[in-house]
Amino acid sequence: EAQVTQNPRYLITVTGKKLTVTCSQNMNHEYMSWYRQDPGLGLRQIYYSMNVEVTDKGDVPEGYKVSRKEKRNFPLILESPSPNQTSLYFCASSSRWGARATARSPLHFGNGTRLTVT
Amino acid sequence: KNQVEQSPQSLIILEGKNCTLQCNYTVSPFSNLRWYKQDTGRGPVSLTIMTFSENTKSNGRYTATLDADTKQSSLHITASQLSDSASYICVVSVSGGYNKLIFGAGTRLAVHP
Repeated sequence: EAQVTQNPRYLITVTGKKLTVTCSQNMNHEYMSWYRQDPGLGLRQIYYSMNVEVTDKGDVPEGYKVSRKEKRNFPLILESPSPNQTSLYFCASSSRWGARATARSPLHFGNGTRLTVT
Repeated sequence: KNQVEQSPQSLIILEGKNCTLQCNYTVSPFSNLRWYKQDTGRGPVSLTIMTFSENTKSNGRYTATLDADTKQSSLHITASQLSDSASYICVVSVSGGYNKLIFGAGTRLAVHP
């Protein structure tokens, strides 16, 4: 089954304790991206990757890191989490992106990781 | 500033009734507009995509319209079902080869029996 898998689904941590949220897709997609979703706001892009070893900042990259060593994996790293990073995080992938997107290339989202930083 | 605004924020309807969700955008240059459905506790799932030249597109009981002149889109749900209860997100893509998607905050729809 084609899917984007995020782990963990729920995570509670304390300020300053490094954590990694994993994301894996089995569709051989080139494009992957991380978003955060907060109440009353649209999804905001954190980082994205157009291919292996190619990553770039989105709209809200501060406090986050990513890596893309393999096509299927795109982990999100919080080196020193803070309470303002408490949010619902989504990883997504697509065979195409932005202006090249077509009806056959929607974003495929994982089921989210709810992170609480105390 | 590129923005996508959705209305209403939330909506309650009775099962079997129709409803229309609105999306207004100030995105330029425009590439395409997509509606996503997000069930509680799940990631968004694409319902339909519309390009500049398309006015209407249907996906089962969902019908999306696009007026590129007024920069408005709507999502019409016919004969609502309990399973339609979800958030509906309007996403506009910026043209020009950018990797830029502008997300609306969504409309939360509750369908009651």
